[in-house]
Amino acid sequence: QAGLTQPPSVSQGLRQTATLTCTGNSNNIGYEGAAWLQQHQGHPPKPLSYRNNNRPSDISGRFSASRSGNTASLTIADLQPEDEADYYCSAWDNSLRLWLFGGGTKLTVL
Amino acid sequence: QVHLVQSGAEVEKPGASVKVSCKASGYTFTSYLIHWARQAPGQGPEWMGRIDAGSGETEYSHKFQGRVTISRDTSASTAYMELSSLRSEDTAVYYCAREKGGTSWDYWGQGTLVTVSS
Repeated sequence: QAGLTQPPSVSQGLRQTATLTCTGNSNNIGYEGAAWLQQHQGHPPKPLSYRNNNRPSDISGRFSASRSGNTASLTIADLQPEDEADYYCSAWDNSLRLWLFGGGTKLTVL
Repeated sequence: QVHLVQSGAEVEKPGASVKVSCKASGYTFTSYLIHWARQAPGQGPEWMGRIDAGSGETEYSHKFQGRVTISRDTSASTAYMELSSLRSEDTAVYYCAREKGGTSWDYWGQGTLVTVSS
């Protein structure tokens, strides 16, 4: 089945900016956008942004989400050591009638 | 504040069933949807289904159709996920999550490890 494609890994320097991408199609990301979640080892996923690109109130402004066509992006500014984690995108697929997740991107802060 | 507290780890034999609970607090339970997803070791999450805690209406991933049942007890503000005919590939951490107003999830439970082993 169609899924969401994320690069397996991204590395960026401390205090630099990282942009993570998630590619889908017109039935999912292009339909209603994507949500982004952060996951540290051994912990549940933590929402970073909703499908409308808004952030939960407890999430730093360093995290910003956007969408262009069928690709969603998460930009993390001023990278900190605690930003090292796995990042997942997720979108509702209106053709398959299910929520899809990307394979995840492991972010390394150098 | 909102909390979703799940039941403890389970060990089951192949062919058995498991039922995981998710107790909600800090909000009006019947005003939101509850989703269930699982995450196998080293893998990304996988969506299983959801329930409208108010109406009880459910929707399931076709992958799990016929094997999963999601239910709720409004008097206990608790949602349940039951998975039957367990096989070793069902070994995973199972999560519940609350859906925020038609967008996506805003709160997740702590996860429940289900191990399927003979």
